[in-house]
Amino acid sequence: QSALTQPPSVSGSPGQSVTISCTGTSSDVGTDNRVSWYQQPPGTAPKVIIYEVTKRPSGVPDRFSGSKSGYTASLTISGLQAEDEADYYCSSYRSSTYVFGTGTKVTVL
Amino acid sequence: QVQLQESGPGLVKPSGTLSLTCAVSGYSISSSAFWGWVRQPPGKVLEWIGEISHGGTPNYNPSLKSRVTISLDRSKNEFSLELRSVTAADTAVYYCVRSPGWYYLDLWGRGTLVTVSS
Repeated sequence: QSALTQPPSVSGSPGQSVTISCTGTSSDVGTDNRVSWYQQPPGTAPKVIIYEVTKRPSGVPDRFSGSKSGYTASLTISGLQAEDEADYYCSSYRSSTYVFGTGTKVTVL
Repeated sequence: QVQLQESGPGLVKPSGTLSLTCAVSGYSISSSAFWGWVRQPPGKVLEWIGEISHGGTPNYNPSLKSRVTISLDRSKNEFSLELRSVTAADTAVYYCVRSPGWYYLDLWGRGTLVTVSS
C-alpha cells in the first residue's frame, strides 16, 4: 500500500500562509470526498483538522482550510501561528483501507 | 466527552504476540461507529492496521491481515488488537481510533509505545 505524497517540510513566518499538497491517484484522493488531514504536535497523538476535503470539526480554527483538484488535495494554514508548528498528515481511503501521506513538518520561523 | 485509552505490555519478545486493549468511555461501542488501530514507528509515518464495525465486522490492512485480529468486548466497552509473530519492525506507538463511518478518524487515544525486543 503506497503512501500519499507530501512535501517533507514547509515553513513560514507568523501571519503568513502556507499550503501543503497531498498527491494520490484516481483510486484514493481522486475518489469522492475521502480526504482528511491530521495535525500532530510533537509528542502527541494526531487530531483531525479537516475531513471530507473541506469540512472542519468543531473547535478547529477557520485559518485551516482544505481543497482538492484532481488527484491532489491541499491544506492551507492562513495567518500562521506559533502553535501551528507540528507534523501534518493527509489521509484517504483506497480499496477499503485507509492510506496516509508521507507527512509534512510545518515550521514557524 | 468520548475518550479512548490504550493499555497493554510495553515490551514483547520477537515471534511473540502483541496484545492491546482500548477502553472507550462516554460512548457505547455498540453504537454506530468503527473502532480501529493505527501505528507509528519511531520517527516514521502513520500506518492503518485495521478496524471493526460496531456490528463486529472486521476489516484489515492487506499488508498485516495474516497476523492481525481486532475484536470487541461489549461487556467492558472495549476493543482489542492482537498482532502475531512480531518482529522489531512492529516496534511503534499504537493508537486506538474511532471512525464515524465517513472515511476519517475523529477520535484518537493518547497512544502506547510497544517495543519488540528480546
